[in-house]
Amino acid sequence: AAGVIQSPRHLIKEKRETATLKCYPIPRHDTVYWYQQGPGQDPQFLISFYEKMQSDKGSIPDRFSAQQFSDYHSELNMSSLELGDSALYFCASSFVGGSSYEQYFGPGTRLTVT
Amino acid sequence: GNSVTQMEGPVTLSEEAFLTINCTYTATGYPSLFWYVQYPGEGLQLLLKATKADDKGSNKGFEATYRKETTSFHLEKGSVQVSDSAVYFCALDPRGYSTLTFGKGTMLLVSP
Repeated sequence: AAGVIQSPRHLIKEKRETATLKCYPIPRHDTVYWYQQGPGQDPQFLISFYEKMQSDKGSIPDRFSAQQFSDYHSELNMSSLELGDSALYFCASSFVGGSSYEQYFGPGTRLTVT
Repeated sequence: GNSVTQMEGPVTLSEEAFLTINCTYTATGYPSLFWYVQYPGEGLQLLLKATKADDKGSNKGFEATYRKETTSFHLEKGSVQVSDSAVYFCALDPRGYSTLTFGKGTMLLVSP
């Protein structure tokens, strides 16, 4: 079965640079969520989109922005990167329009800021 | 607000031992509850879920029962294997279709 695809899997950036993370949800899923997991931490919700509209917002810094495109893929844009942004970034997708809402997670993008 | 509390790890067990990982939650209304598992270097995999009180989720020998009276969703397995070594996250979705709030995770280490 198709899963959530994230790219790139690994990314190394320097402080103050920008990064773009991409997420391709499971086909026919209408909702995308972004989570950030710091080293040894639990995942923290950043932002979500339902049918290309922002549906919920968590602890996303103002330096970050995201959007969901017409083909339902999503991109997380991160600017003025800081050392503390080093983390594993997960994308998850779900089909809210159905009867089962569980979120399926991608493998994550490991971002290292040096 | 919503929160999930898990027992701290690591939990160290011998193969074929009985496993319990405690999870309690705080939420308004009737959240959906989940257990996710994260193997080293990998993403989060949904292990099991329960959407209403007294529901029992089960998968791969793991079970958890949604106990509203004790606001708990403890994970159990009768006989663990070395391959079960991973970090286990308890999570809740307050509305059943929204964002997840995770516990801090419990690392399980199973030795032969």
